[in-house]
Amino acid sequence: NAGVTQTPKFQVLKTGQSMTLQCAQDMNHNSMYWYRQDPGMGLRLIYYSASEGTTDKGEVPNGYNVSRLNKREFSLRLESAAPSQTSVYFCASNRQGRGNTIYFGEGSWLTVV
Amino acid sequence: QQQVKQSPQSLIVQKGGIPIINCAYENTAFDYFPWYQQFPGKGPALLIAIRPDVSEKKEGRFTISFNKSAKQFSLHIMDSQPGDSATYFCAASGNAGGTSYGKLTFGQGTILTVHP
Repeated sequence: NAGVTQTPKFQVLKTGQSMTLQCAQDMNHNSMYWYRQDPGMGLRLIYYSASEGTTDKGEVPNGYNVSRLNKREFSLRLESAAPSQTSVYFCASNRQGRGNTIYFGEGSWLTVV
Repeated sequence: QQQVKQSPQSLIVQKGGIPIINCAYENTAFDYFPWYQQFPGKGPALLIAIRPDVSEKKEGRFTISFNKSAKQFSLHIMDSQPGDSATYFCAASGNAGGTSYGKLTFGQGTILTVHP
């Protein structure tokens, strides 16, 4: 029972490089999310996809793009990485609706030097 | 703008103690309040959640107290154990068109250490 799977687990990028974080869920969930976690700031929503074919901005979308490839997969792309994007990134998913548990992946540690 | 404020930032208790973590929110449209537990190197996992139509919810050793008029809620851990040592996050979300319950606004987190 994999749940939410993220790759890669760790990545070091140079400023200006691009990369894509991959996320897949096997729970047949409609909605998927990307959060970033920074010390002392909790988790902040970057982008979300309420259902297949839709995406929308969260609280901190600048510098990121997303693609909802199909119902299972939701990727996050950094087009030109900046040191301010050094963070831990979490993908999450749930069924739409109030009180439906949100399941998180184990995180992707990204360092931009 | 931090819409959910959590305190304290860190908390140390002895085994058997009752740590209490507090959160306050601003947005009156919030109507779902989960708590997440996170161990080092892992993603957050749902611990317990409450809706504003009740003032208290218990699940095992974990209790949420909710004060709608004060816009505050708290997590109590009864008979705390060293295995409870983790980071705890409160969060909140609300219904804006039916698709918003995963759009959680998190508190800053509390690092709990339970000494044996």
